[in-house]
Amino acid sequence: AQSVAQPEDQVNVAEGNPLTVKCTYSVSGNPYLFWYVQYPNRGLQFLLKYITGDNLVKGSYGFEAEFNKSQTSFHLKKPSALVSDSALYFCAVRDMTANTGNQFYFGTGTSLTVIP
Amino acid sequence: NAGVTQTPKFQVLKTGQSMTLQCAQDMNHEYMSWYRQDPGMGLRLIHYSVGAGITDQGEVPNGYNVSRSTTEDFPLRLLSAAPSQTSVYFCASSYTGYWANTEAFFGQGTRLTVV
Repeated sequence: AQSVAQPEDQVNVAEGNPLTVKCTYSVSGNPYLFWYVQYPNRGLQFLLKYITGDNLVKGSYGFEAEFNKSQTSFHLKKPSALVSDSALYFCAVRDMTANTGNQFYFGTGTSLTVIP
Repeated sequence: NAGVTQTPKFQVLKTGQSMTLQCAQDMNHEYMSWYRQDPGMGLRLIHYSVGAGITDQGEVPNGYNVSRSTTEDFPLRLLSAAPSQTSVYFCASSYTGYWANTEAFFGQGTRLTVV
């Protein structure tokens, strides 16, 4: 079965410092990986995805993610955190086997707090 | 372009009542799904559909029904509400098949409280 794990429930970082939100995955076949952000009382917003190609993927709001096949990881990064980055972040993998309708599987989320 | 529209945004039900959460998308997506979000548990899939007339169960389907009569609409029905169904519900849609390398689009959510 496909799954993702976000090992940290909470990440705190000082404003201006680099941030990393961790994600590891387990899939059969090639992974389709996604990051989403959720601000309070809002739906999930797409940040970036890895399908194939360059292991470093750039996305919205200055975020990027590094795909590492040997470590089965897809960590979200930003060189300089902003207070406005404080939100809940979800990693997801899409199941590309035909019998599941290409379901998305989400991690449990990581709450990021950027401290001024 | 409205994207994914969910109604209502908030709802309070009494135990045993039934209701329907509405979800509509205008992107011609084949794949539509319902999730519930509970603290510490992330997003859990309730039901999903890969096209009109086709639905299937997700991880937590008990107590919920769905139907997909059109490509655009995917309503979620609570048959007899229970306090355990207090949650935030999200509808999401996406392309599938050949275009499954695309992301899911989410509605703004429905906050449901069952008393």
